[in-house]
Amino acid sequence: SAVISQKPSRDICQRGTSLTIQCQVDSQVTMMFWYRQQPGQSLTLIATANQGSEATYESGFVIDKFPISRPNLTFSTLTVSNMSPEDSSIYLCSVEGGQPSTGELFFGEGSRLTVL
Amino acid sequence: AQSVTQLDSQVPVFEEAPVELRCNYSSSVSVYLFWYVQYPNQGLQLLLKYLSGSTLVKGINGFEAEFNKSQTSFHLRKPSVHISDTAEYFCAVSVNDYKLSFGAGTTVTVRA
Repeated sequence: SAVISQKPSRDICQRGTSLTIQCQVDSQVTMMFWYRQQPGQSLTLIATANQGSEATYESGFVIDKFPISRPNLTFSTLTVSNMSPEDSSIYLCSVEGGQPSTGELFFGEGSRLTVL
Repeated sequence: AQSVTQLDSQVPVFEEAPVELRCNYSSSVSVYLFWYVQYPNQGLQLLLKYLSGSTLVKGINGFEAEFNKSQTSFHLRKPSVHISDTAEYFCAVSVNDYKLSFGAGTTVTVRA
């Protein structure tokens, strides 16, 4: 299993600012995934990040709001730009585990953002 | 596209009692099925998975689930719960790729 570390674990941010979340994996992985979990809700995939290419965003998410970097095979960042209170969520980084292309994922501990 | 319905949003249960969390899915193709658990203030952890083979799958911490293709269900069970099983449980489905569709979650609260 992969060990995934996220920073920060939690933060309180002011409206209009931006915050970058870091995700570090203890092994090389092809794809990294960013999920959002809004308060009291389930998880929604934001984007898939491959090393050396642009991230692929899901419907409802755009690069200007959630720019993603993937400089190497063990690291990725997600930036939440121009934040509003609606962006208050837990943001989770994940990677594939077990049998590839089955949807089995390992998750980080999450970054809990509160926007005032 | 596939979707997942968790029929119970909250399940209170007494310690050492059995618990069942219901999950139904819809998909026009074969699926892979998962149950994840999220303990308070933590990330998600895989409880168990169905990829193929036996329809009864066993996971960690004494949990098991049964895949029923005709009823498109994947209910999670534990015969005797502990206080430490208090958590949010998510059913999820994928179709031959890495994208997971999650259910809304079931909050299990175990009381002494």
